Parts: sequence; structure tokens; C-alpha cells
Amino acid sequence: GENVEQHPSTLSVQEGDSAVIKCTYSDSASNYFPWYKQELGKRPQLIIDIRSNVGEKKDQRIAVTLNKTAKHFSLHITETQPEDSAVYFCAAWRFSGGYNKLIFGAGTRLAVHP
Amino acid sequence: DTEVTQTPKHLVMGMTNKKSLKCEQHMGHRAMYWYKQKAKKPPELMFVYSYEKLSINESVPSRFSPECPNSSLLNLHLHALQPEDSALYLCASSQEDSPYGYTFGSGTRLTVV
Repeated sequence: GENVEQHPSTLSVQEGDSAVIKCTYSDSASNYFPWYKQELGKRPQLIIDIRSNVGEKKDQRIAVTLNKTAKHFSLHITETQPEDSAVYFCAAWRFSGGYNKLIFGAGTRLAVHP
Repeated sequence: DTEVTQTPKHLVMGMTNKKSLKCEQHMGHRAMYWYKQKAKKPPELMFVYSYEKLSINESVPSRFSPECPNSSLLNLHLHALQPEDSALYLCASSQEDSPYGYTFGSGTRLTVV
């Protein structure tokens, strides 16, 4: 079955620096890759996503890149701010007949220090 | 309405109690999901309903019983839970059986004593 690995598990940066979180997936049938931000005690919220026919997508300070050949995708946050501190989860959507599901990575705890 | 609403927000129950968690959405989504999330872990899929029919049960113990009365509502009935079942229970919905519009509710924080 699909497996999504996420690194690093924790990331500490200074305000204004960039942060990069990387994920790899195992199943070439996966074709949609969302990123979720979860603040303490709150719901996971979609912050950006990318489909398998696109190599890069950007939304203000956040960008996601996808390398289908290597089965890698990454989240890039530029000019980090303290409010970016949260746990970030990557995920992969696997189409498999009637057994479609979203597979999550283990999460990255990002701390942005003022 | 672009939200998934879960009630209650917090629940404390004894191991002999029976309780239910409720989830509601009015986005016209035809797929609804239950997840369990332990601290510092990703959400773990429990059940998937597609067009009000159970399509995925991830080998969840029978003390958890899902129900989908209609396309807008999803319940999770709890009975004879164990302390290790304490967790954040998240509901989600999406357009048909796809990832598009995937939206999580705020969750129910369950404590089993």
C-alpha cells in the first residue's frame, strides 16, 4: 500500500528565514498531494495542494514542488512569521478503485522564533 | 456554508457508557470520513462513507459504530471504550469519493476514564 515519509520531524527557524519540508511517496498511482497546517488543538487546514500533472504551485509565501519521477514533493515557506508555527502534514491521495484514501505523513513541527 | 460541524467539542465518558459523536456538513459533499488523531500523530482513517454507504472500515474495533442517516450527517456511536481510545476524533467531507474540497471539522476531544 501507499506510504508517505516526511522529514524533518521538527524544524526550528528564525523569523524571516525560509523553511522546507520534504515528503516522499511510494505508490505511483497517487495523483494529488495536499499540505495541511494544524495549530495546537485545532483542525488540520489545507494550505496548498498540487496535482500530479503540475510541477510547482505558489501561493504568496507558500510553494509546493513535485517531482513525479523521484516521487518527492516539498513545501517551501519563505519569510517565515511566528504565526507559521504549527504542525504541517503532507498527504497523498491514492486512487484505487473503491478504496480511495488520503495517506498522511507523520508531520513536521515547525517553530518560528521572533 | 463551507464548514464541517462536529458536536460535542469535548466529551468525557466512562468505560461502560454509550455516547455518540455527531458531524454535519451542508456543502453537498457525498463522501464523509471519521479519523482518530492521537497527540503528535497524523490523523488515522477509521471509516469512509460514500453516497451514504460504508465503503471503507479500516479494521476498527466494533466498540466504534458509524452511521450515516443522510448525505449531510455522520454519527459515530461509542460503547465500552477503553482509556487508550482517548483522542481527538475528526470528521471530514469531500466531493464524492475524491480529495477535492476535503474539509475537516474541528473535532471532538474524547477522554475515556
